[in-house]
Amino acid sequence: QLVLTQSPSASASLGASVKLTCTLSSGHSSYAIAWHQQQPEKGPRYLMKLNSDGSHSKGDGIPDRFSGSSSGAERYLTISSLQSEDEADYYCQTWGTGIHWVFGGGTKLTVL
Amino acid sequence: EVQLVESGGGLVKPGGSLRLSCAASGFTFSSYSMNWVRQAPGKGLEWVSSISSSSSYIYYADSVKGRFTISRDNAKNSLYLQMNSLRAEDTAVYYCARGTYYYDSWGQGTLVTVSS
Repeated sequence: QLVLTQSPSASASLGASVKLTCTLSSGHSSYAIAWHQQQPEKGPRYLMKLNSDGSHSKGDGIPDRFSGSSSGAERYLTISSLQSEDEADYYCQTWGTGIHWVFGGGTKLTVL
Repeated sequence: EVQLVESGGGLVKPGGSLRLSCAASGFTFSSYSMNWVRQAPGKGLEWVSSISSSSSYIYYADSVKGRFTISRDNAKNSLYLQMNSLRAEDTAVYYCARGTYYYDSWGQGTLVTVSS
């Protein structure tokens, strides 16, 4: 069964960097994912598609501060030079034949 | 600029029906698969249903199969979700999203509340 696991919460200081993790379940380490950001009281916003080799393609207007990387079954979203508007929920998403579309439980990022 | 605007949400009694709409603009609607995703209050995102560009392929989450029907009208650049036999657990904000595999554009959502 395809499952995406995310830590429920993370925090980092203004101006610092943070690395969020999305872990693919066993047997699915080659899957690509997408990262989405959801600011409070807003709809989600597509950040990037992230492949298993770490290559990624970002959505329109996504700042260079947002980057992705991969290692095995782990997919990472790194946000550098944290700003107050980065405080949001971050979701990973994947897809598969017969599995359809799956979201991780989300990580709530607090900017201190 | 890609825009997706949902409408049609509201308060409905258990067992009732509701039809959601999503108006698309800023892109060639007929070239993209479209999707519905929902978010219960205080919870995460849950995929609901997807439809291919020509309506040839349609998929539903098990939680809504047999009760919800997704459709689209490419001439009107619109996506729909007909929701029947609604339950309390269907209470959520419903988002439409563009994309075949990953979703690269989202609407702002419409709230559906199922309560007596």
